[in-house]
Amino acid sequence: GENVEQHPSTLSVQEGDSAVIKCTYSDSASNYFPWYKQELGKGPQLIIDIRSNVGEKKDQRIAVTLNKTAKHFSLHITETQPEDSAVYFCAASMGTYKYIFGTGTRLKVLA
Amino acid sequence: EAGVVQSPRYKIIEKKQPVAFWCNPISGHNTLYWYRQNLGQGPELLIRYENEEAVDDSQLPKDRFSAERLKGVDSTLKIQPAELGDSAVYLCASSLGGRGDYEQYFGPGTRLTVT
Repeated sequence: GENVEQHPSTLSVQEGDSAVIKCTYSDSASNYFPWYKQELGKGPQLIIDIRSNVGEKKDQRIAVTLNKTAKHFSLHITETQPEDSAVYFCAASMGTYKYIFGTGTRLKVLA
Repeated sequence: EAGVVQSPRYKIIEKKQPVAFWCNPISGHNTLYWYRQNLGQGPELLIRYENEEAVDDSQLPKDRFSAERLKGVDSTLKIQPAELGDSAVYLCASSLGGRGDYEQYFGPGTRLTVT
């Protein structure tokens, strides 16, 4: 079955710097890749997603890139702010409703 | 628009006791999901409903877990009897359903502690 690996598990950056989180998936049939942000005591919040027919997508300070050949996708956050501190999860879906989540990255933005 | 609502937010029970979680999805969302999230891990799907039909319950431990969505709107997830290993956050999510709609929206979760 599908497997999603996520790295790093923790990431600390200075405020204003960029943060990059990477995920690798195993099943080439996967075609939908959402990213979620989870703050303490809250449920995951969808922040950006990408489908397999697109290589890159941006939304203000957040961008996601997809490399189908290498089967990996990445989340890029620019000009990080303290409120970006949270746990970020990637997921992969094979065109169905079943998401396979990565193990999460705890991002700390240091003021 | 209200998001996914879950209750209770926290629950502490002794092992072997029953427990139930309730979820009300976003209005108009036909697909409802229950996930379990262990500490430091991503969510894992337990069951998915399309309206009132459970279309994927392959990961639900059926000896002790049950779920229902009788009128195709809100849903209840039950554990009976609870075990120590059931301590986790139970998340409910919903999506519009339909071809090509993949976006899932999560509720705040219920944190279960079994002692």
